[in-house]
Amino acid sequence: GAVVSQHPSRVICKSGTSVKIECRSLDFQATTMFWYRQFPKQSLMLMATSNEGSKATYEQGVEKDKFLINHASLTLSTLTVTSAHPEDSSFYICSAKGYSRYNEQFFGPGTRLTVL
Amino acid sequence: KQEVTQIPAALSVPEGENLVLNCSFTDSAIYNLQWFRQDPGKGLTSLLLIQSSQREQTSGRLNASLDKSSGRSTLYIAASQPGDSATYLCAETSGGGADGLTFGKGTHLIIQP
Repeated sequence: GAVVSQHPSRVICKSGTSVKIECRSLDFQATTMFWYRQFPKQSLMLMATSNEGSKATYEQGVEKDKFLINHASLTLSTLTVTSAHPEDSSFYICSAKGYSRYNEQFFGPGTRLTVL
Repeated sequence: KQEVTQIPAALSVPEGENLVLNCSFTDSAIYNLQWFRQDPGKGLTSLLLIQSSQREQTSGRLNASLDKSSGRSTLYIAASQPGDSATYLCAETSGGGADGLTFGKGTHLIIQP
């Protein structure tokens, strides 16, 4: 149980294009989903928190107009990187939290974004 | 802003040794602390979760401890194996678990065959 998927696992795009990443909780309802970013040889940094049906809360320094988050249902959240640039190249990982013991977050496998 | 620090940044030991990875945190209102494993280019594998009211958790050859008063956690790996080679991340959350996780930078572990 508690499986989270992400799609795509890897994407390469040209500078200026937009990329959408999906995060799905497969066997539980996710009341909250989190989006993290990991640059090479760095740790994970929280970008934003999204609750189903409401606007995402962004961490300081994360541009909400550039990283659009939609949490339309209890099993799906999407992150859209708009007008991507090479500096947006990173590993994006989502996690989902439902009504589990200890409010544990379950992580997706991540999406490797490369912007040329 | 909460901080999580992991020491050492890298560690290389011969196979079979017992080892300890260290994590310190500044959050006095910690709700739980998790240890993760990350293989190169991969996502996270959750190893152990310790609630703030607990002092330790065990899973197989792994034992994690939590000392909330001193702001420290350790991950003990017994009888290390080459397959244990990975980066180990420590992360904590507060806010009753509603907040995102704050991660340390990790310890890159190499077990020499």
